[in-house]
Amino acid sequence: GAVVSQHPSWVICKSGTSVKIECRSLDFQATTMFWYRQFPKQSLMLMATSNEGSKATYEQGVEKDKFLINHASLTLSTLTVTSAHPEDSSFYICSARAGTGNHGPYNSPLHFGNGTRLTVT
Amino acid sequence: AQKVTQAQTEISVVEKEDVTLDCVYETRDTTYYLFWYKQPPSGELVFLIRRNSFDEQNEISGRYSWNFQKSTSSFNFTITASQVVDSAVYFCALRGGTGTASKLTFGTGTRLQVTL
Repeated sequence: GAVVSQHPSWVICKSGTSVKIECRSLDFQATTMFWYRQFPKQSLMLMATSNEGSKATYEQGVEKDKFLINHASLTLSTLTVTSAHPEDSSFYICSARAGTGNHGPYNSPLHFGNGTRLTVT
Repeated sequence: AQKVTQAQTEISVVEKEDVTLDCVYETRDTTYYLFWYKQPPSGELVFLIRRNSFDEQNEISGRYSWNFQKSTSSFNFTITASQVVDSAVYFCALRGGTGTASKLTFGTGTRLQVTL
């Protein structure tokens, strides 16, 4: 089955530093990947849609300059949390849809990475 | 706008009991897709099932079964003879439409605790 690998699984960083999280589709090509954020005991909130070869589409209220997304290849998207602060501490999880490019099948499920637990001290 | 409601925040059952997790959705799309995901304590999201809006057949997979009722906009999930390994947070999700902008909307999740 489709596998999405996310790295690192957890990271602790100091306030003011930047952290990069990688999301790879291991056995399929993903022109679109999705980045979610999950606070403790809460649901997943979509942060942005990462499009290969073009700019990411951010959800309302998500700072694009703070959460930099790069999707340079069909199998890799990265999320960089810049100048991290304690309030950025959260569980970040990426996902991708296996299928033919960006057009489906739309009923194909998203496959999620294992998530990255970020703690900013 | 899309919305998924999982009214049950937490459920606690004893092993071997049956348990049903409720999911109610809202969408204006005539074509949409419903999903259930499991999130164990380790954090990863595990895909369980997908159902499209024009297929109201219920589905059974081992101890898991799903009841899709379009008339009540519900997509409930039942675990029969629950086991401790079923302990996790379960998310119901909805994707409406078929355009590239269609997004997956998650419910708030139901935390299931199965004890011995």
